[in-house]
This record gives sequence, C-alpha cells and structure tokens, in this order.
Amino acid sequence: DTEVTQTPKHLVMGMTNKKSLKCEQHMGHRAMYWYKQKAKKPPELMFVYSYEKLSINESVPSRFSPECPNSSLLNLHLHALQPEDSALYLCASSQEGGGTGELFFGEGSRLTVL
Amino acid sequence: SQQGEEDPQALSIQEGENATMNCSYKTSINNLQWYRQNSGRGLVHLILIRSNEREKHSGRLRVTLDTSKKSSSLLITASRAADTASYFCAIIQGAQKLVFGQGTRLTINP
Repeated sequence: DTEVTQTPKHLVMGMTNKKSLKCEQHMGHRAMYWYKQKAKKPPELMFVYSYEKLSINESVPSRFSPECPNSSLLNLHLHALQPEDSALYLCASSQEGGGTGELFFGEGSRLTVL
Repeated sequence: SQQGEEDPQALSIQEGENATMNCSYKTSINNLQWYRQNSGRGLVHLILIRSNEREKHSGRLRVTLDTSKKSSSLLITASRAADTASYFCAIIQGAQKLVFGQGTRLTINP
C-alpha cells in the first residue's frame, strides 16, 4: 500500500464553522506534512510531524490546528477560517523525519470558505 | 530563500516532441527532486538526484544537475498527452522543509 488517503475531497464551510481534514497512510512512514496550495502556485509547507511530534510550524495562524493521533493519522482542525484560506490542502508522508527523501502526497482536500 | 525558480513558467508543445524544463536555486543542496501534478490533484514524485550525481534517467525522463551553476533540468522525451501537467522542482531547506519552485505548466497538444 503506497497511498496517502485524504478526506474529505471537497469541503465547503462558513467562517464560523469547525471542521477537520483527515489524512491516513499505512506505509510505516514516520514523517507527515500539511501543505497549502493556491491556484497556479506551488505548495507551501504548513506543518511537519516527525515521529508523532510537531517539528515544524511555518507560522501558521492558530485557526489551523494540526493533530497527529498516531503514526498513521494526521488531522488538520479548522476553525473561524477566512475566505482567503480557500485552497487545496495536501497531506504528504515520508519514510524518515529527516526530509531528505521523497514525499508521497494524497490527492488533497479542496476547501472553500464562504 | 532556497526556493527553486523554474523556467519557463508555461510550455506548450506537440505530442511526440521533447520538453525541457529548468530549475535554478541559490544555495548548496544535498539533493534536488522533481514532482508532477495533474490539474487539481496531488503531487507525484518523479525523480531525486543527489548533489554528487550529474545525470539520472527514469523511463522517458532525464534529469541533469549542475551544482556549479546551481541549476537542474528535466527533459521529457517523446511527449504524450498524458504528460500534460505542472512540474515542480523541490529542494530541502533546513532539516525537513521541502520547498517547491514556482513550477512549469506543460501542455502537450495532440
């Protein structure tokens, strides 16, 4: 199994809603990532978890809250988002936390904030 | 910033032709990676080239790396319609941060 599975594929939420994005991998990878991608732009790193501990937070606003319940799961909790947060949110994993190898990406969750 | 800069931003060619994309970066690297992204989908890793390698092949892909010029190129030979996608180079910044270049949008016309 070489897949990273993200749910939901699409999410529409209001600015007062609370929702979560979920990511799962069963490759035994020890590092997991959240990236944000706006249209026609490259993915931008948000968070990195290495061995289930948050190792990088790229100064992301607190309305985005990551969680890594175990080595296979990664969540991104969303609260009080702004319309400019609408984007494709990509989860990725890699074998080690050193960040020198390839990343395996999910298909993304497309978020629309109204 | 170590972010790679890609050239051209967009490329449109006929099916069967070769496509070349370039990536330049600013600081020393351990490796450089190339990824493909079909429209609105996730990224797929294509190839990783280490700093002590000059050229690497994978199927119809050829990647070169010139560390003295801080540049890399991705060549896709005998292009197909299915190669239509955005292509990104990526380099490591710090210990774990993989940073992507601006990307090249490749269109293969039938």
